[in-house]
Amino acid sequence: DTAVSQTPKYLVTQMGNDKSIKCEQNLGHDTMYWYKQDSKKFLKIMFSYNNKELIINETVPNRFSPKSPDKAHLNLHINSLELGDSAVYFCASSRGLAGGITDTQYFGPGTRLTVL
Amino acid sequence: DQQVKQNSPSLSVQEGRISILNCDYTNSMFDYFLWYKKYPAEGPTFLISISSIKDKNEDGRFTVFLNKSAKHLSLHIVPSQPGDSAVYFCALTGTGRRALTFGSGTRLQVQP
Repeated sequence: DTAVSQTPKYLVTQMGNDKSIKCEQNLGHDTMYWYKQDSKKFLKIMFSYNNKELIINETVPNRFSPKSPDKAHLNLHINSLELGDSAVYFCASSRGLAGGITDTQYFGPGTRLTVL
Repeated sequence: DQQVKQNSPSLSVQEGRISILNCDYTNSMFDYFLWYKKYPAEGPTFLISISSIKDKNEDGRFTVFLNKSAKHLSLHIVPSQPGDSAVYFCALTGTGRRALTFGSGTRLQVQP
């Protein structure tokens, strides 16, 4: 009965490979997000989708491509992985998309990506 | 250009005492402020929030204070319990922003 789930939890791969991280939420939320927690521990927004429509696309290399097959899923595909992509990636969801009361976000457990 | 700063990376307090975690921000466009708590190997979980029209919000042992003129918010936990040991993130948003801007977190250790 996990609210927001991510797979895999750990991902170790070589530079240059392509990998995907999957996210699913069973909260009935309309909005889903991907955040990256960098080495300085900040969580920074990467993407946001509302009802399968891209809402936020921060300054992220185009090697990162989110895909939302339906509003309960938001997957992250990364091409040509680089050392600097090593981080913890968190998926989140919220009921609304406006900044404010409806923006309480529920996070998945994170995926620790290590690029060798 | 860090808009949100948590200047104390760690804090250690004795069980039963008060824990005070601080957060400073630079952008006056933020008008909704949240605290998230994170245990190891888990995602952040929502703890408490406050909107800019208030200066205090209380929920049990947790109280958040907002000083808009100083662009400062704080989280008070009293009494602190060992189960409160976690990393605490402040997260800010505002009308039209559509995402949270997080601080770097403060690791709280409550000693039994």
